[in-house]
Amino acid sequence: AQKITQTQPGMFVQEKEAVTLDCTYDTSDPSYGLFWYKQPSSGEMIFLIYQGSYDQQNATEGRYSLNFQKARKSANLVISASQLGDSAMYFCAMSQVSGGGADGLTFGKGTHLIIQP
Amino acid sequence: KAGVTQTPRYLIKTRGQQVTLSCSPISGHRSVSWYQQTPGQGLQFLFEYFSETQRNKGNFPGRFSGRQFSNSRSEMNVSTLELGDSALYLCASSLDGTGATGELFFGEGSRLTVL
Repeated sequence: AQKITQTQPGMFVQEKEAVTLDCTYDTSDPSYGLFWYKQPSSGEMIFLIYQGSYDQQNATEGRYSLNFQKARKSANLVISASQLGDSAMYFCAMSQVSGGGADGLTFGKGTHLIIQP
Repeated sequence: KAGVTQTPRYLIKTRGQQVTLSCSPISGHRSVSWYQQTPGQGLQFLFEYFSETQRNKGNFPGRFSGRQFSNSRSEMNVSTLELGDSALYLCASSLDGTGATGELFFGEGSRLTVL
C-alpha cells in the first residue's frame, strides 16, 4: 500500500524567505508520480508541481521546485522567495502509474503554511 | 482553457436525503475522479471514471455512486445521507487518469453539510 507522510502540521515563515515542506513516501511500485498541491481557504486544490519516478532531473515550476531523493523516498517542496499569497495548506500526493488505471492519489495530511510580513 | 467546474459549490441537506454533485472536466480530459475531504480523514479517493466506465473505487460504502456521460461530465450521488458525509467533495480531471503525465487538475469542490 502507498503512504505519504508530511511531518510538519504547521509552519510560520517570514516573507521573502525560502520554505521547504517535507514529504516522504512509501511504495513498492517502481513506477509512480509525485504531486504537490496548494489549497487556499477557498477549498480549490491548485496543482503546483509533478515529478515522475523515472525523471532524472528535479522538477521546477517558477518559484516551486521539488527536491526528489529517490533512495530516501523523499519529495520535498521548495518555495523560493515566499510571498504572503503562499499562505495555504500544502498537500503532497502520490499516484500509482503501473496499475494501468487510476487507483487514485494517496494524499498526506498536509502542512499549513503561514507567511508572515 | 476553462478549468474543472463543480456544481453546486455549497449545499445543505438533512439526514436520510440524497444528493447529486456534478463535475465538468477540462476539455479533452476523459478521466474524472472524485475525492472526499474531511478534517478527520483528510483526502480520500472515492472513484474514477474513464470513457463512461468506472475503473476503480475507493473504500466507501455503496451509498456513494457515480457515473460519467459521453461528454465526460460526471456526477456523484450519495444516498441516505449521514452526518459523517459532511465534507468537501473534490473532482479531478486528467487525460488518462493514470497520473503518468502529471496532468491532474482539481475543481473548487462542492461543500456538503448534512444536518
